Amino acid sequence: KAGVTQTPRYLIKTRGQQVTLSCSPISGHRSVSWYQQTPGQGLQFLFEYFSETQRNKGNFPGRFSGRQFSNSRSEMNVSTLELGDSALYLCASSLRQGAHDTQYFGPGTRLTVL
Amino acid sequence: AQTVTQSQPEMSVQEAETVTLSCTYDTSESDYYLFWYKQPPSRQMILVIRQEAYKQQNATENRFSVNFQKAAKSFSLKISDSQLGDAAMYFCAYRRGNTPLVFGKGTRLSVIA
Repeated sequence: KAGVTQTPRYLIKTRGQQVTLSCSPISGHRSVSWYQQTPGQGLQFLFEYFSETQRNKGNFPGRFSGRQFSNSRSEMNVSTLELGDSALYLCASSLRQGAHDTQYFGPGTRLTVL
Repeated sequence: AQTVTQSQPEMSVQEAETVTLSCTYDTSESDYYLFWYKQPPSRQMILVIRQEAYKQQNATENRFSVNFQKAAKSFSLKISDSQLGDAAMYFCAYRRGNTPLVFGKGTRLSVIA
């Protein structure tokens, strides 16, 4: 079974631009979570989607948004990019929502904001 | 809010030796899950092992095992017969119910040949 895929793998943007990242979960998985990883803050939760509904949201500004489609694929969008948004963005999928289901991570998208 | 603490930013181990990575967490809940994830230089986060809090028996996966001390809120990872491929960042994580995963800051493990 194919793993979690994320596109693109690398992205370079300038301040003020917006960006959309994509995540395709493992086949059959209906829950998708997004995390931001930086050297200073570590891994921080952005949001979780299950059955096209946002179920959890982390403490990030409204510039960060996401959505999930009927095929469970998910996108996250960051508008008005800031230098501090440079990070590795990780997507994880699980069969259902809940701690009893292990989250499997994708390779990440490395976003650099210049 | 739940917190996860990894007090060892860096560790090193000789090939074929055993190393233990420490993790403590803070929670008032009794039913939760704990995880160790490995992130090698390729950046793909990989699940190493997981422990269900209501199970007293420590989880094991081949060369990886945990020492779960629920009362002490401690969850350490033991890697036996260390291999060069074990070199990575290791993250301890906590999750309860439908809440998000909470990660520690990570421990960078180096394996010396």
